[in-house]
Amino acid sequence: ELKVEQNPLFLSMQEGKNYTIYCNYSTTSDRLYWYRQDPGKSLESLFVLLSNGAVKQEGRLMASLDTKARLSTLHITAAVHDLSATYFCAVDATYSGAGSYQLTFGKGTKLSVIP
Amino acid sequence: GAGVSQSPSNKVTEKGKDVELRCDPISGHTALYWYRQRLGQGLEFLIYFQGNSAPDKSGLPSDRFSAERTGESVSTLTIQRTQQEDSAVYLCASSGSGLAPYNEQFFGPGTRLTVL
Repeated sequence: ELKVEQNPLFLSMQEGKNYTIYCNYSTTSDRLYWYRQDPGKSLESLFVLLSNGAVKQEGRLMASLDTKARLSTLHITAAVHDLSATYFCAVDATYSGAGSYQLTFGKGTKLSVIP
Repeated sequence: GAGVSQSPSNKVTEKGKDVELRCDPISGHTALYWYRQRLGQGLEFLIYFQGNSAPDKSGLPSDRFSAERTGESVSTLTIQRTQQEDSAVYLCASSGSGLAPYNEQFFGPGTRLTVL
């Protein structure tokens, strides 16, 4: 069974600071997704990482993927209040033999950026 | 274009009643997924439809849960004899094709189900 673990689950940080959210997963996969969810809202796609060493950046967020370590990181640079949300990583379970293209999600990291 | 839509946005029901939740995927998307999100948790996969293939029902938690999809369009998720533990947000997602190089899923706004 594919397991996806995120840490930390809760993160409170001051504006202007940097921090990294980690996403570990338990089986071979080179398809990893990061989503953002605002309170009471649905999920918004942030990044799609498709190969070992993939790095993508959008504004103050940068995501990377190390398939050998089964680790993805979401790095926040100079945080601003607008980044406050819950961030989920999700792994495509296909390669683990799940048989369909379901995504297995981590529990999410609730980020609060304090002005 | 239009995104994934779901209805109703909120549903309050009494324990033991049946409920139907609806999802309209993005036009042209062949794959459709249902997920459940309990309060403060990540998403749990429920069921997957891909074209005319048999659906993957491996995530359905009990035989009280069922889902149908008409061709490559609307899907309904039915929960019979609802229980309080069914209270959650039910999210629908669609993607271009399960056979695509990757499978970016686009999510609807969800239906918040509360079972009293």
